[in-house]
Amino acid sequence: EADIYQTPRYLVIGTGKKITLECSQTMGHDKMYWYQQDPGMELHLIHYSYGVNSTEKGDLSSESTVSRIRTEHFPLTLESARPSHTSQYLCASSDLRGGNTDTQYFGPGTRLTVL
Amino acid sequence: AQTVTQSQPEMSVQEAETVTLSCTYDTSENNYYLFWYKQPPSRQMILVIRQEAYKQQNATENRFSVNFQKAAKSFSLKISDSQLGDTAMYFCAFMKEYGNKLVFGAGTILRVKS
Repeated sequence: EADIYQTPRYLVIGTGKKITLECSQTMGHDKMYWYQQDPGMELHLIHYSYGVNSTEKGDLSSESTVSRIRTEHFPLTLESARPSHTSQYLCASSDLRGGNTDTQYFGPGTRLTVL
Repeated sequence: AQTVTQSQPEMSVQEAETVTLSCTYDTSENNYYLFWYKQPPSRQMILVIRQEAYKQQNATENRFSVNFQKAAKSFSLKISDSQLGDTAMYFCAFMKEYGNKLVFGAGTILRVKS
């Protein structure tokens, strides 16, 4: 398993709260990603980053925001959580250099429940 | 846009037997990458196997092998000598060359029975 970490692993929170999901990787990877995994288990890209100070929106529209101030850290923030945000959030990273630049390595995920 | 289809929502196999999971995809790209990822219950998603579309040789990783048929846009995963630890959700995924995102199929739940 790759060296990519997510905290918290589980979070139950009330509507309207601000939350930040943490993602860190120790592999020095430039590219990082956030996927949302719905209850039907399909995964959809919501944000990605090419490197420090780079952030882009993915295919699935999301009310969350991300930042990339350090290479190893790619947190996701919800300013005001709603029940529709209940999902599993997976962070991933890949290397811009080397042979397998296409291969993404995933963190363990954060299961978020908004009441 | 690319799409990935996994037509088998659930599969079961007896321990030590062989099982094949199906995946088809749709793309107009000529160069791309295909992956199988495994997500055990409540555990991390891990890469099982990777295939480069411009390589004709099918990828293998120990007990895992693929049957890549580029013309048919088919990418099935064969698991030989199935083990209880192979029980997981398996996702087929596509990425175009120089792409950013993985496009995932809906997944196949595989249960290995003793």
